[in-house]
Amino acid sequence: EVQLVESGGGLVQTGGSLRLSCAASGFTLSSYAMNWVRQAPGKGLEWVSYISSSSTTIYYADSVKGRFTISRDNAKNSLYLQMNSLRDEDTAVYYCARDRGSSGWYWFDPWGQGTLVTVSS
Amino acid sequence: EIVLTQSPATLSLSPGERATLSCGASQRVSSRYLAWYQQKPGLAPRLLIYDTSSRATGIPDRFSGSGSGTDFTLTISRLEPEDFAVYYCQQYGSSPITFGQGTRLEIK
Repeated sequence: EVQLVESGGGLVQTGGSLRLSCAASGFTLSSYAMNWVRQAPGKGLEWVSYISSSSTTIYYADSVKGRFTISRDNAKNSLYLQMNSLRDEDTAVYYCARDRGSSGWYWFDPWGQGTLVTVSS
Repeated sequence: EIVLTQSPATLSLSPGERATLSCGASQRVSSRYLAWYQQKPGLAPRLLIYDTSSRATGIPDRFSGSGSGTDFTLTISRLEPEDFAVYYCQQYGSSPITFGQGTRLEIK
């Protein structure tokens, strides 16, 4: 079964840092580009970051550029999101989601169950 | 960036009825690169439709997508109780990827 499981969320102070992880199973992570998408409480979906299968192409939403860093370790079947200088508006459930193929930008399937990040002073 | 506007914000229908959800784009969506997702409370989004009209694996044929350019539609031919949820459209034809704000489909 194809599965993505996020971890690392929690309560962090404004200005703090947090590292999210996404463990992939049931498929070969190195064959797929990956994304992070977030959803603030009661709100819609916001794409956060993209990384191609070999890490050669990386994109960020303007709202997180310069503060968040996406990375992956294909040997460990894992995707990461390092979040620094966190703001109250970064409070959200963070989902990792598999892209259609190894590169390019397409639809997302499947998604992990999400991990909640709460930023508060 | 392409802004996607979904309408209506909330749609109240009964099981067995037909649902029509709209997604309008601020610019043309190239190559019909538009997807639809379903999200139920407390769960992750689930892919329903990609490339405007292709159903994802395991999605019942009562779900269909259509459209081109700036106007896209998700149709549920005959609502089942499990279809009541929030639906999002997503475009992946232009950078950055963007989502619509969602349509809540509720039981009347």
